[in-house]
Amino acid sequence: GENVEQHPSTLSVQEGDSAVIKCTYSDSASNYFPWYKQELGKGPQLIIDIRSNVGEKKDQRIAVTLNKTAKHFSLHITETQPEDSAVYFCAARDLNQGAQKLVFGQGTRLTINP
Amino acid sequence: DGGITQSPKYLFRKEGQNVTLSCEQNLNHDAMYWYRQDPGQGLRLIYYSQIVNDFQKGDIAEGYSVSREKKESFPLTVTSAQKNPTAFYLCASSVAGGVYEQYFGPGTRLTVT
Repeated sequence: GENVEQHPSTLSVQEGDSAVIKCTYSDSASNYFPWYKQELGKGPQLIIDIRSNVGEKKDQRIAVTLNKTAKHFSLHITETQPEDSAVYFCAARDLNQGAQKLVFGQGTRLTINP
Repeated sequence: DGGITQSPKYLFRKEGQNVTLSCEQNLNHDAMYWYRQDPGQGLRLIYYSQIVNDFQKGDIAEGYSVSREKKESFPLTVTSAQKNPTAFYLCASSVAGGVYEQYFGPGTRLTVT
C-alpha cells in the first residue's frame, strides 16, 4: 500500500520568513495530495490540496507543489504569522486493492517565532 | 451549521470496559472514517465506511468495532481487547464514497486507566 514520509518533524522560523514542509509517497498511481493544519486539541483542517494533473496550486500565502516523477510534494507558507503555528500533515490517496483512503505523514510541528 | 460532531470531547474509562465514541455529520456525505492519533504520530485509519450498512477495516482495526446503520452516524466502539486504547480519536467524512476532501470532527480524547 501507500507509504508517506514527511520532513522535518519540527520546524521553527522567524515571523515573516517562509516555511517549507516536504513529503514523499511510494505509489506512483496516487492522484490526490491534501495538506491539513491541526491546532492543539482540535481536529485537522484541510488547508490546500493538489491533484496529480497539476504541478502547483496557490491560495494566498500557501502553495503546494507536486513532482510526480520524483514522487514528492511540498507545502510552502510565505510571510509566516504567529497563527500559522500548528502541526501540519500531508497525505496521499491510497488506491491499493481498490481501497479509497488517505495515508498520512507523521506531521510537522511548525513554530513561528515573533 | 453543517459539520461533524464528536462527543464527548473527553472520555475516561476503566480498563476492561467497552466504550462507544459518537460521530455525527449533517453534510450529507456518503463516506465516514475513524482515525487514531497518538502523540507525535500521524493519523492511522481504524475503520471506514463508504455507504450505509457497509464498512471496511483500516490499518489498525484490532480491538475496535463500528456500525453504519444511518448515513449521518458512524459510532466507534473501543473494546476491552484494544491493548492501548488511550489516544485521540478523530472522525472524518467525505462525499460520494470517495476520498477527496475529507473533513474532520473536533475529536474525542479517550483515557483508559
